[in-house]
Amino acid sequence: DTGVSQNPRHKITKRGQNVTFRCDPISEHNRLYWYRQTLGQGPEFLTYFQNEAQLEKSRLLSDRFSAERPKGSFSTLEIQRTEQGDSAMYLCASSLNVDEQFFGPGTRLTVL
Amino acid sequence: GDSVTQMEGPVTLSEEAFLTINCTYTATGYPSLFWYVQYPGEGLQLLLKATKADDKGSNKGFEATYRKETTSFHLEKGSVQVSDSAVYFCAPDTGRRALTFGSGTRLQVQP
Repeated sequence: DTGVSQNPRHKITKRGQNVTFRCDPISEHNRLYWYRQTLGQGPEFLTYFQNEAQLEKSRLLSDRFSAERPKGSFSTLEIQRTEQGDSAMYLCASSLNVDEQFFGPGTRLTVL
Repeated sequence: GDSVTQMEGPVTLSEEAFLTINCTYTATGYPSLFWYVQYPGEGLQLLLKATKADDKGSNKGFEATYRKETTSFHLEKGSVQVSDSAVYFCAPDTGRRALTFGSGTRLQVQP
């Protein structure tokens, strides 16, 4: 399967803990995006990378959130000191330049 | 900034009924327009797209026409099936950054 993959698929954590998610994009895609989706809503943009450069961050991305794409391939999204409001589905997508974005299955985070 | 307004769901139809899901947007410049679909338990998939005014995107019997004058991209299908039950998202893309999604419209098709 050469699609976008995300790990883990589900994460349950206690408030105050740190969590890290991983996204592996389609191999030739230079753009990688992170979105957050809460129940009954559409995905909301968090941040995106072109190769290893993080080009834009949403105001939704507080200083507890950090994303990296160190070699321009896979990316990680870390949330420090999780809060219950962080519970959501975290989606990763990739694209070749400004073409169609391909989405991964998402990581569902539950903060207790 | 970019924004999208979609008709609220859920939309409940009988099999073989005609479907319209309205979408209007505000965006800088002339965005490409997309409809994405999310089937139960699955990730987002591109359904169709249109990249310039008056273009018609089509796929799996669904169609949408890029109407620049009304900034709309309404989704239509002549005869829905139970397997079309899903959440549909409209999204413009100006190419500057990421997609801006509407809140989604849930479609339920009953046999």
